Amino acid sequence: EVQLVESGGGLIQPGGSLRLSCAASGFTVSSNYMSWVRQAPGRGLEWVSVIYSGGSTYYADSVKGRFTISRDNSKNTLYLQMNSLRAEDTAVYYCATDYPRFDYWGQGTLVTVSS
Amino acid sequence: QLVLTQSPSASASLGASVKLTCTLSSGHSSYAIAWHQQQPEKGPRYLMKVNNDGSHSKGDGIPDRFSGSSSGAERYLTISSLQSEDEADYYCQTWGTGIRVFGGGTKLTVL
Repeated sequence: EVQLVESGGGLIQPGGSLRLSCAASGFTVSSNYMSWVRQAPGRGLEWVSVIYSGGSTYYADSVKGRFTISRDNSKNTLYLQMNSLRAEDTAVYYCATDYPRFDYWGQGTLVTVSS
Repeated sequence: QLVLTQSPSASASLGASVKLTCTLSSGHSSYAIAWHQQQPEKGPRYLMKVNNDGSHSKGDGIPDRFSGSSSGAERYLTISSLQSEDEADYYCQTWGTGIRVFGGGTKLTVL
């Protein structure tokens, strides 16, 4: 059974940093495209970043230069390093499988950026 | 620019059918899309992928009441025999090299 479990969210001050983790089971992260998607309170889904199986990474303009997606193959875990956090980064962050199979989502982890 | 457009809301009666629309921006009418459902206070769930020829592939456990189709730049999600648990937000998603895009979502109310 495929499972994605996010962790690492919390309350952080503006300008701070946070690293989210997404532990996967039932499939191999490094063999798949994987994405981070976020949802601000009361808003729709917003794509954040994707990492291809070959290692290429891409970002939404809103987070480019501040966020970094990565993975640890030995731990079968996806990460999102978030620096220079802003109030508008407040959201539930989901990891999800990506092309060609968009089938699986994690339960999400809440990040709140506030002083 | 790759953009997906969805109506903000839709409604239909219990037991009836509803067809939700996702429109691809100009120049992108050949793109496939994915449909995701988000029930209240829950995370998203993948429903299906819809190709530009109308073929679709559903996720595991998705009931036969859910189907997809396509016409030009429009991609559709049809839900038949509506049930109360179908009341949810429905998002379409598409992708290109280095980019992923979500539509704004359609809030479906089951009357």
